Amino acid sequence: IAGITQAPTSQILAAGRRMTLRCTQDMRHNAMYWYRQDLGLGLRLIHYSNTAGTTGKGEVPDGYSVSRANTDDFPLTLASAVPSQTSVYFCASSDFGGAGNEQFFGPGTRLTVL
Amino acid sequence: GQNIDQPTEMTATEGAIVQINCTYQTSGFNGLFWYQQHAGEAPTFLSYNVLDGLEEKGRFSSFLSRSKGYSYLLLKELQMKDSASYLCAVINSNYQLIWGAGTKLIIKP
Repeated sequence: IAGITQAPTSQILAAGRRMTLRCTQDMRHNAMYWYRQDLGLGLRLIHYSNTAGTTGKGEVPDGYSVSRANTDDFPLTLASAVPSQTSVYFCASSDFGGAGNEQFFGPGTRLTVL
Repeated sequence: GQNIDQPTEMTATEGAIVQINCTYQTSGFNGLFWYQQHAGEAPTFLSYNVLDGLEEKGRFSSFLSRSKGYSYLLLKELQMKDSASYLCAVINSNYQLIWGAGTKLIIKP
């Protein structure tokens, strides 16, 4: 693989169910990010990780959790999905966190919560 | 609050030039990005400005005025494949990336 992959591509989920969105990068980037993108709104940061073993909260972290056990993987978990979490989710990575670092995005996961 | 303003939609003609504006009000400034996003796809990096002035990269140029809180993306010799959304994003003083909602550019033949 080259770049960032996300799985699944799309998912329909019943409210209350638990769901993990997967993200893997092979660029050995230190920093990784999870965003959600909703119509009419800019990308909003959910959680981020500046290096393996550390994570931080973004702008809209409630209802989501992440882990960063190694450099390559950064899964996002919805513990109990709600309809307002219907969105397109993008995973991204960059060489380092912080200013001026280009972010590379995965293809996205389209999630619908009913 | 922090705000990034871009026009929602613009239309231009193939072969022409278009300028997409972005104004921002953020807590501090540490740089500005432009990304391109085709429908149903991931955003991809176009440009990064941290100092005032014009950065040129092929058909695309990006301008920044920090004193005015203003940037624009200039696309020349428009092609049909340039139909996409263009996202402006600003790095604030906390090194957070604040994203605009994007400008959908429609190219007509």
